[in-house]
Amino acid sequence: QKEVEQDPGPLSVPEGAIVSLNCTYSNSAFQYFMWYRQYSRKGPELLMYTYSSGNKEDGRFTAQVDKSSKYISLFIRDSQPSDSATYLCAMSTNTGNQFYFGTGTSLTVIP
Amino acid sequence: DTAVSQTPKYLVTQMGNDKSIKCEQNLGHDTMYWYKQDSKKFLKIMFSYNNKELIINETVPNRFSPKSPDKAHLNLHINSLELGDSAVYFCASSRQGWSEKLFFGSGTQLSVL
Repeated sequence: QKEVEQDPGPLSVPEGAIVSLNCTYSNSAFQYFMWYRQYSRKGPELLMYTYSSGNKEDGRFTAQVDKSSKYISLFIRDSQPSDSATYLCAMSTNTGNQFYFGTGTSLTVIP
Repeated sequence: DTAVSQTPKYLVTQMGNDKSIKCEQNLGHDTMYWYKQDSKKFLKIMFSYNNKELIINETVPNRFSPKSPDKAHLNLHINSLELGDSAVYFCASSRQGWSEKLFFGSGTQLSVL
């Protein structure tokens, strides 16, 4: 079993829709949770960063962490065509510089 | 200014050749990494260096050899390239510590013919 599971999609939504992206994980030692956005032919860029359980909001983006269920989500409100990208979740523990990635979800927002 | 920069962006070469990819970061970070991303977008850690010292060395063929001349640079040399080495290679960096964020370069698309 992989440490981090993520549905690869592809996911296609109309402009303005609410998008929900999810990851599950098996290692209860994960404390830090990240979402990266990767445009085609570009490097992943850090979108959201959260510690432990709870919610974090930044503009149209909300990250949620439910450690009891080992489940994290990224919500995108009022999705735009410019949100079309691959979204990768990543996690780390508090014991060193080791990051564990999901396989990424490909999102297309249709104008 | 690009925070993590790597060159070249594209690398097309024949099987059996030796090639290098260079990476530099100007973020003042202590730790640098090489990741390999396959065609399905999965990011796999290859190596991690902290202050020029190798700290993570995943199961990677020994044809791959990282070199860190200083903490701002981490190069990747690949000997005897094989078809299966074709992928996108990303350099990344972070501060030392367990709560730090990872920053990526723009990637090197390696195609082995």
